[in-house]
Amino acid sequence: GQQLNQSPQSMFIQEGEDVSMNCTSSSIFNTWLWYKQEPGEGPVLLIALYKAGELTSNGRLTAQFGITRKDSFLNISASIPSDVGIYFCAGPLGDGGSQGNLIFGKGTKLSVKP
Amino acid sequence: NAGVTQTPKFQVLKTGQSMTLQCAQDMNHEYMSWYRQDPGMGLRLIHYSVGAGITDQGEVPNGYNVSRSTTEDFPLRLLSAAPSQTSVYFCASSQSGEQFFGPGTRLTVL
Repeated sequence: GQQLNQSPQSMFIQEGEDVSMNCTSSSIFNTWLWYKQEPGEGPVLLIALYKAGELTSNGRLTAQFGITRKDSFLNISASIPSDVGIYFCAGPLGDGGSQGNLIFGKGTKLSVKP
Repeated sequence: NAGVTQTPKFQVLKTGQSMTLQCAQDMNHEYMSWYRQDPGMGLRLIHYSVGAGITDQGEVPNGYNVSRSTTEDFPLRLLSAAPSQTSVYFCASSQSGEQFFGPGTRLTVL
C-alpha cells in the first residue's frame, strides 16, 4: 500500500540554524502537503504543492515537489523557538480523486534551543 | 466562523462501552474526514465523506461507524470500545484541497 517515509524522525537545533526535512514514497503523488502540529492542537497546513518541480515559499519556509513526484522537501531558514512542533508531509490516498482522504508521514519532531 | 469543532475534548471509556465523537464545521465544506493519531504513527484515516449521504472507509475503519446526514456534521461512533482505540481523534473538512483540522478528542479506553 501507499506509504510516506519522513526523515529525520526528530531534530534538535540551535535558534538561527536552518532546517531540512524530507518525505519519500514508492508511489507517485500528484499533490504534496506539509503540515505543522503544535502540542494539543490539530495539524495546520503550511504549504501545498501541486506540480512536479514546483518550489513554493511561505515566509521562512520553502517546500519543493520532487521531479520524480515521489518525494518532497521542506526547509526552514533561520529557525526561531516558535518553530517547535511536529512537521508532517501528506498526500492524497489512493488515486487522489477525493480531497477527503490523506495519507500522512510519521512526522519530524523539531526542537529549537534558544 | 468557528471552523471545525469537536466534542468532547477528553473522554474515558470502559471496554465494551459505546460513544459518539461529534464533529461539526461551519464552512460549508463538502469533504469531511476522521483520523486517529497514535505516538510514532502519524495520522491515519478512519472514514471520510465526500458529501451528505456519502461515506467511505479509510486505512483503519474497523471498529468505527460514520454517517453524514447533513453537510455540517460528521459523527464518529464506537459501538464497543476496545483498549486499542485509545488515541487522539481528529476531524477535518476541506473544499479545495486544504484540510482544516479540529482541535482533537483524546480518548482513553480502559
